[in-house]
Amino acid sequence: EIVLTQSPGTLSLSPGERATLSCRASQSVGSTYLAWYQQKPGQAPRLITYGASKRSTGIPDRFSASGSGTEFILTISRLEPEDFAVYFCQQYGLSPPTFGPGTKVDLK
Amino acid sequence: QVQLVQSGAEVKKPGASVKVSCKISGYNFRNYHLHWLRQAPGHGPEWMGWINPDTGDSKYAQRFQGRVTMTRDTSISTAFMEVYGLISNDTALYYCARGITGVGWFDPWGQGTLVTVSS
Repeated sequence: EIVLTQSPGTLSLSPGERATLSCRASQSVGSTYLAWYQQKPGQAPRLITYGASKRSTGIPDRFSASGSGTEFILTISRLEPEDFAVYFCQQYGLSPPTFGPGTKVDLK
Repeated sequence: QVQLVQSGAEVKKPGASVKVSCKISGYNFRNYHLHWLRQAPGHGPEWMGWINPDTGDSKYAQRFQGRVTMTRDTSISTAFMEVYGLISNDTALYYCARGITGVGWFDPWGQGTLVTVSS
């Protein structure tokens, strides 16, 4: 199965700053078969992007995703207070679908 | 709006089984695959398998084959997952989530069901 690695483990930033989260796959997941999720404490994961770069319904445009093959990036252009959470990447290019361990974006 | 509402928390002894339900509303139950995932504290989610509510077909992750059964009742738009032979490492939050097909992303998710395995 494809193993996903996320970095950094924790990102400490202030509101208004830019967040850059990385997801690396142990083998190619194809050009578009990657999704990102946001999870807040006590809540289920929420889909942010899919198809490598498409935003889910209701997701603001400060969230953008890019990448292909084995290297993917989620960028939050200007952090809002509600963006502090854990973010997971998920690949669906090869079964079984797998998730990364997550990057926590917390308040500096 | 689309909602997936799961059954409540469970506490089970090692060796027991647990059955979790997921009731959907806001869309045609038969039109989308229903996936089950679990998440241990401090870890990313782990995919367990899916059921096609229209046909009843299911596919399980290899590590859960023989230990999980996914079923559905279309008359009440509800999917079920039963896990057998519980061990302490099965303690986790179990989620149902909608999928376009058997392969893809998951959106939305149920609120989660905490299953605790403890003697």
